[in-house]
Amino acid sequence: NAGVMQNPRHLVRRRGQEARLRCSPVKGHSHVYWYRQLPEEGLKFMVYLQKENIIDESGMPKERFSAEFPKEGPSILRIQQVVRGDSAAYFCASSPGHQERFSGYGYTFGSGTRLTVV
Amino acid sequence: ELKVEQNPLFLSMQEGKNYTIYCNYSTTSDRLYWYRQDPGKSLESLFVLLSNGAVKQEGRLMASLDTKARLSTLHITAAVHDLSATYFCAVDDSWGKLQFGAGTQVVVTP
Repeated sequence: NAGVMQNPRHLVRRRGQEARLRCSPVKGHSHVYWYRQLPEEGLKFMVYLQKENIIDESGMPKERFSAEFPKEGPSILRIQQVVRGDSAAYFCASSPGHQERFSGYGYTFGSGTRLTVV
Repeated sequence: ELKVEQNPLFLSMQEGKNYTIYCNYSTTSDRLYWYRQDPGKSLESLFVLLSNGAVKQEGRLMASLDTKARLSTLHITAAVHDLSATYFCAVDDSWGKLQFGAGTQVVVTP
């Protein structure tokens, strides 16, 4: 499967627990993006990462949320001490370098992780 | 800040008729994307529009981009039931961030 792989597909957490969402980009893609979709809404940008670097985290809440994309392994979106308002679908997308994106390659989205906080 | 507005937000279509979804955006960009999302599913890429005057067609869907007017349209010809979904436009801000419209929920009925 050459697509973006996200896991788990569904995640249920109690208030106060931690949620870890994983994203493996398309093989060869070095750019990863996380988006959040609240019910009945569009997708909102959270963070843009390249290997070992956070490029833009302007959409991340200031507290409890963090993201990483290590040299080896998947990108991780971590939410500490989850609250009910964190319930949403979290989508990861990947792309090749800027030049390819500007040439029309675009972004590939994963199937998402649906987080439910109870 | 880049803003993207879609309208309408909800579109009830009759099978066989033609409809258009509009996507306006607020700042200069040469890259606009259309996606389809079925309930509970991920985003399926429909079109990537890269330049002024770009027009792409796939089946009953046709998308166009006017960068001067900062407007893209998604035209649906002779709607059929399996086109029922939510359609999003998104604009690339050149720094790796997609700004999405709120989505247009399309329901096609006989």
